Amino acid sequence: GQQLNQSPQSMFIQEGEDVSMNCTSSSIFNTWLWYKQDPGEGPVLLIALYKAGELTSNGRLTAQFGITRKDSFLNISASIPSDVGIYFCAGPSFGNEKLTFGTGTRLTIIP
Amino acid sequence: GAVVSQHPSRVICKSGTSVKIECRSLDFQATTMFWYRQFPKQSLMLMATSNEGSKATYEQGVEKDKFLINHASLTLSTLTVTSAHPEDSSFYICSAKQGAWEQYFGPGTRLTVT
Repeated sequence: GQQLNQSPQSMFIQEGEDVSMNCTSSSIFNTWLWYKQDPGEGPVLLIALYKAGELTSNGRLTAQFGITRKDSFLNISASIPSDVGIYFCAGPSFGNEKLTFGTGTRLTIIP
Repeated sequence: GAVVSQHPSRVICKSGTSVKIECRSLDFQATTMFWYRQFPKQSLMLMATSNEGSKATYEQGVEKDKFLINHASLTLSTLTVTSAHPEDSSFYICSAKQGAWEQYFGPGTRLTVT
């Protein structure tokens, strides 16, 4: 089946730093979704990408749909404490409404 | 917009009993909802796809007689864990589909079976 690998697995940064993470797939995706999950909560949709090469922002977050359609990137600028959590990429299997979720990137801010 | 609720948020039950979890889309109609299970420090694992007015589609390895799903209306899907065992203890999360691909998630239900 399809797999989505996220890198890095975890990040430890200081407040104010910029963050970059990526998601790669063994097969092509037509849509990329980025979610954030806080402890004990459900994931919250951050950004949706629909076209290869697309670059979309949501406040301090920017995500890009890779031109190969096998990867996507999420950047967070000037991190703040509430950015702490786990970030998941997700995409629908081709021709299928089910989502495949990535392995997740855990973001921790060091005081 | 696109708010999904789940009830209860936490439940503790005794082994052998059944537990029902509700998932509601509050401000939109959802013909398709999904049920996930998440173990600590792991990603979400899809259990089943719930379609309004029809039978749910279960993922491989998920027992349909144990995890009963009912999607009786465009805003409500329920998951019933029957004859619960300690190994069923987990974080259960539902989502509702809006648009072509976007899924909006509920806050999750922490089930503990003693």
